[in-house]
Amino acid sequence: DGGITQSPKYLFRKEGQNVTLSCEQNLNHDAMYWYRQDPGQGLRLIYYSQIVNDFQKGDIAEGYSVSREKKESFPLTVTSAQKNPTAFYLCASSQPGQGPTGELFFGEGSRLTVL
Amino acid sequence: QQQVKQSPQSLIVQKGGISIINCAYENTAFDYFPWYQQFPGKGPALLIAIRPDVSEKKEGRFTISFNKSAKQFSLHIMDSQPGDSATYFCAASSPGRETSGSRLTFGEGTQLTVNP
Repeated sequence: DGGITQSPKYLFRKEGQNVTLSCEQNLNHDAMYWYRQDPGQGLRLIYYSQIVNDFQKGDIAEGYSVSREKKESFPLTVTSAQKNPTAFYLCASSQPGQGPTGELFFGEGSRLTVL
Repeated sequence: QQQVKQSPQSLIVQKGGISIINCAYENTAFDYFPWYQQFPGKGPALLIAIRPDVSEKKEGRFTISFNKSAKQFSLHIMDSQPGDSATYFCAASSPGRETSGSRLTFGEGTQLTVNP
């Protein structure tokens, strides 16, 4: 089945540690995204990538980093510089030209808790 | 102004009732308005969407009503069922050449509970 796989589903981190969230897609989509979901704040864009080896900051990129070395993979690193990292993180993908203005396909999310 | 304001934050409806979720926006350049549905522990999925050249779009029990002059749009769920219990996000997209997700602004979300 085509889709987006995020791992791990749950992650606990101590303050001061970096952590990397994995996102893999087999939809052959060019564009990939990372969103952060907090209660009452909707979905906020962290980073996005339109093609391999290229990515742009979203609305809340501070304290995060990404890479896009392969079309299928878009890992997100939550660094120790992120002041409030406890959140639900969602990875998504889309393909320009497919569906009305590019429907987003989401993974099931990774819940990060900083202890 | 890129914000999309969504209300209510939570909604409880009896089975068979009508659920109504409202969104308002300021940016008149928005040209596409999707709704995403998210079940607990899952990622959101596209439910229904509308463009501003129509005032209503219906898909099964789900209807979007769009009021361009008021800059408001709403989701109506007719004959609400317990299986509709989820979080619903409205969104608005601005035109542009950047990839779609980068042009989307999401509302805050509404947690809908349909009691049996």
